[in-house]
Amino acid sequence: DQQVKQNSPSLSVQEGRISILNCDYTNSMFDYFLWYKKYPAEGPTFLISISSIKDKNEDGRFTVFLNKSAKHLSLHIVPSQPGDSAVYFCAASPRNRDDKIIFGKGTRLHILP
Amino acid sequence: GAGVSQTPSNKVTEKGKYVELRCDPISGHTALYWYRQSLGQGPEFLIYFQGTGAADDSGLPNDRFFAVRPEGSVSTLKIQRTERGDSAVYLCASSFTSGRGGEQFFGPGTRLTVL
Repeated sequence: DQQVKQNSPSLSVQEGRISILNCDYTNSMFDYFLWYKKYPAEGPTFLISISSIKDKNEDGRFTVFLNKSAKHLSLHIVPSQPGDSAVYFCAASPRNRDDKIIFGKGTRLHILP
Repeated sequence: GAGVSQTPSNKVTEKGKYVELRCDPISGHTALYWYRQSLGQGPEFLIYFQGTGAADDSGLPNDRFFAVRPEGSVSTLKIQRTERGDSAVYLCASSFTSGRGGEQFFGPGTRLTVL
């Protein structure tokens, strides 16, 4: 039973356009959410996070939106660049369990020239 | 500055054998995590160390898996009587502090193949 779900295994977006990656979660105890980016043969790298007390967090080209009532979050990348081609993992951490991060299966993003 | 390193990068073994996977965290990082990533899945939490002690080992799948961090730095993940289902990429991460304030930095992983 996947507690963090990324239902799109892959996504292709034209360079310069907006990339939107979606994530749903089922556990209402999650109160902190993260996005990680992974290139082949490398470990995941932290991209951006959001606490459940917020509904938006922005860092440069990356914005994460959180809809708690729908148990849904999304990562927006604008404008998309070739170096953004990677696998993106959505992850969540339960309240009072700061050490534990639950990852989704990932979405492979292809930026097309 | 050196990141998290893991050795070996690849390990091929036969069913029933014993393997050790090593993780060198970033110097000064007190928290260390092991994850397992199977094909087509995201990283799955195995165990978390704060200093020398295992603060949470609830992710270890069974008693064939064990991890140590005797001096609070390098950690070794040990798998006894390996099975084909243990084949995966084993990721190690470290952070300066545990919790939301501590970003986890991942190593490149060890790809374990059990024949």
